[in-house]
Amino acid sequence: DAGITQSPRHKVTETGTPVTLRCHQTENHRYMYWYRQDPGHGLRLIHYSYGVKDTDKGEVSDGYSVSRSKTEDFLLTLESATSSQTSVYFCAISEQTASGGENIQYFGAGTRLSVL
Amino acid sequence: SQKIEQNSEALNIQEGKTATLTCNYTNYSPAYLQWYRQDPGRGPVFLLLIRENEKEKRKERLKVTFDTTLKQSLFHITASQPADSATYLCALDYNTDKLIFGTGTRLQVFP
Repeated sequence: DAGITQSPRHKVTETGTPVTLRCHQTENHRYMYWYRQDPGHGLRLIHYSYGVKDTDKGEVSDGYSVSRSKTEDFLLTLESATSSQTSVYFCAISEQTASGGENIQYFGAGTRLSVL
Repeated sequence: SQKIEQNSEALNIQEGKTATLTCNYTNYSPAYLQWYRQDPGRGPVFLLLIRENEKEKRKERLKVTFDTTLKQSLFHITASQPADSATYLCALDYNTDKLIFGTGTRLQVFP
């Protein structure tokens, strides 16, 4: 999986608890992304990062926050988990440069999160 | 907002035949269009990218076409094999920081 590790791979939690998912890369790529994948919706972007401490929102960012303190790590936090956040979460990286170009993305294996 | 459509129904074909998957989009054409493969329980894997000024791109048994007039990309797998069974996603790349993914089409190749 292109030097990308997601942890944990599976998690069950209760409504109202905070949850943090971790994405670690060994490729030194500038861009990192968090998606969620749900039946009928495909992959939807939650947040992404274009550098250390540089992040931006995606289309489904409500209820989620991210942090990137090092190039290799991108954390996704569900501040107070809800049942609607039950999903499969994927991290992706891209070596796209700041000047643009082909944004080919490489994905981790995913984290299956269940919020009860 | 931009919409991207892939056939949500599964495509079932016989081994050896050519599989053709469709990706349609609305509004303006992307700078690039990408295709990914996703196996159950795994993350998507990049397959091919085609630029807006390219009509066709090939890689081994894979062929992608891009028609900016029809706002459509076709993804072909020739001489399909059971190992080609997977979900295939198209993604629009507007030369920004983000991709827009379709919901994917599940391909099932029967022996």
